[in-house]
Amino acid sequence: DADVTQTPRNRITKTGKRIMLECSQTKGHDRMYWYRQDPGLGLRLIYYSFDVKDINKGEISDGYSVSRQAQAKFSLSLESAIPNQTALYFCATSEDLGDTQYFGPGTRLTVL
Amino acid sequence: QKEVEQNSGPLSVPEGAIASLNCTYSDRGSQSFFWYRQYSGKSPELIMFIYSNGDKEDGRFTAQLNKASQYVSLLIRDSQPSDSATYLCAPTRSNDYKLSFGAGTTVTVRA
Repeated sequence: DADVTQTPRNRITKTGKRIMLECSQTKGHDRMYWYRQDPGLGLRLIYYSFDVKDINKGEISDGYSVSRQAQAKFSLSLESAIPNQTALYFCATSEDLGDTQYFGPGTRLTVL
Repeated sequence: QKEVEQNSGPLSVPEGAIASLNCTYSDRGSQSFFWYRQYSGKSPELIMFIYSNGDKEDGRFTAQLNKASQYVSLLIRDSQPSDSATYLCAPTRSNDYKLSFGAGTTVTVRA
């Protein structure tokens, strides 16, 4: 079984809808991250969490929120989806800051 | 100036040749440097990391780091069609140790 899983893998939704993307990990890491990837822009950090009680904004957090339900679970929500949030979303984990990050398989989100 | 700049490619090399990927970074205090490979539509996977100036070899891959020049490279020797992917350079930031990702270089290995 994969160490980092994401659900759903693909999602098509409409403008204004609330969407939740979920991430689970079995690596036992405290650090978890949410990135989005757009063509030509690389990976950009949305939110990151050091542990269940510590959540921080990344460089592009506007329009997103997160919840760290447990050490193993980190969810990303789009409260009111808009078309420019169409992207590939990745969850990642690491043992500590500056360590190797391990990525989930990604969620392809399309907002119409 | 972008935090991390990579030659955009695509880089096309014949099978068996050496593919050379370059990366420059703006944060002079960056300490760790990661190279990830990403197949189309898939997630990034770690190829190797390097901390010290000089070369680090792992199989067909060699990472080269020059902190004074703020430059890190990845060489892929004996390139195979399975090496066709996008390669992401990711140094750590000196102020918070998070990764900054370049946009990636796409490599195509011609059979």
